[in-house]
Amino acid sequence: DTEVTQTPKHLVMGMTNKKSLKCEQHMGHRAMYWYKQKAKKPPELMFVYSYEKLSINESVPSRFSPECPNSSLLNLHLHALQPEDSALYLCASSPTAGGSYEQYFGPGTRLTVT
Amino acid sequence: GESVGLHLPTLSVQEGDNSIINCAYSNSASDYFIWYKQESGKGPQFIIDIRSNMDKRQGQRVTVLLNKTVKHLSLQIAATQPGDSAVYFCAENPAGTALIFGKGTTLSVSS
Repeated sequence: DTEVTQTPKHLVMGMTNKKSLKCEQHMGHRAMYWYKQKAKKPPELMFVYSYEKLSINESVPSRFSPECPNSSLLNLHLHALQPEDSALYLCASSPTAGGSYEQYFGPGTRLTVT
Repeated sequence: GESVGLHLPTLSVQEGDNSIINCAYSNSASDYFIWYKQESGKGPQFIIDIRSNMDKRQGQRVTVLLNKTVKHLSLQIAATQPGDSAVYFCAENPAGTALIFGKGTTLSVSS
C-alpha cells in the first residue's frame, strides 16, 4: 500500500468554526508533513513530524494546530481561520525526515474559508 | 532564502514531441532532487529522482539530467502524450532537510 489518504476532500468553513483535516498512511513511514498550496503555486511546507514528534514548524500561525496521534495518522486542527487561508492542504509521508527519500503525497483537502 | 526555480512557467508541445522542462537550483548543499507531476485537483505524483552523485537517470519515457556545475536540473519526456499535461515541479533536498519546491511549469500537450 503506497497510498496517503486525506479526508475530507473538500471543506467549507466559516471564520469562527473549528474543523480538522485528517491524513493516514500505512507504509510504515516515520516522517509526515503538512503543506499548503495556493493556486498555481508550489507546495509550501508547514509542519514536519518525525517519529511522532514535531520537528519543523515553518512559522505557521497558531490557528493551525498539528497533531500526530500515532505513526500512521496526522491531523491538522483549524480554528479562527481567515479567508486567505483558503488553499489545498496536502499531507505527505516519507520513510524518515532526514534522508533523501521521495515524499508520497495525498490528494489534498480543498479548504474554503468564508 | 535559497530556492529552486524553473525557467519557463508554461510549455506547449504537440503530441509525440519530446518535452524538456528545466529547473535551476541555487543551494550547492542539495544532494537529492525529485520531479513531481501534479494534475488538476490532485496531489503531486512522483516521477523520478536523482542523487547528486549521478548526472543522469532514466525511467519509463522520462530522463532526468543533473548538471552540478551550473546547478541545473532538467526533465525530458519522450513522445509526449495528452495525459502528460500537468504542472511539473522540481524539488531539492538540501542535505537531508525538508524538500524545497520550484515554481512549476505547466505542460500543455495538444493532439
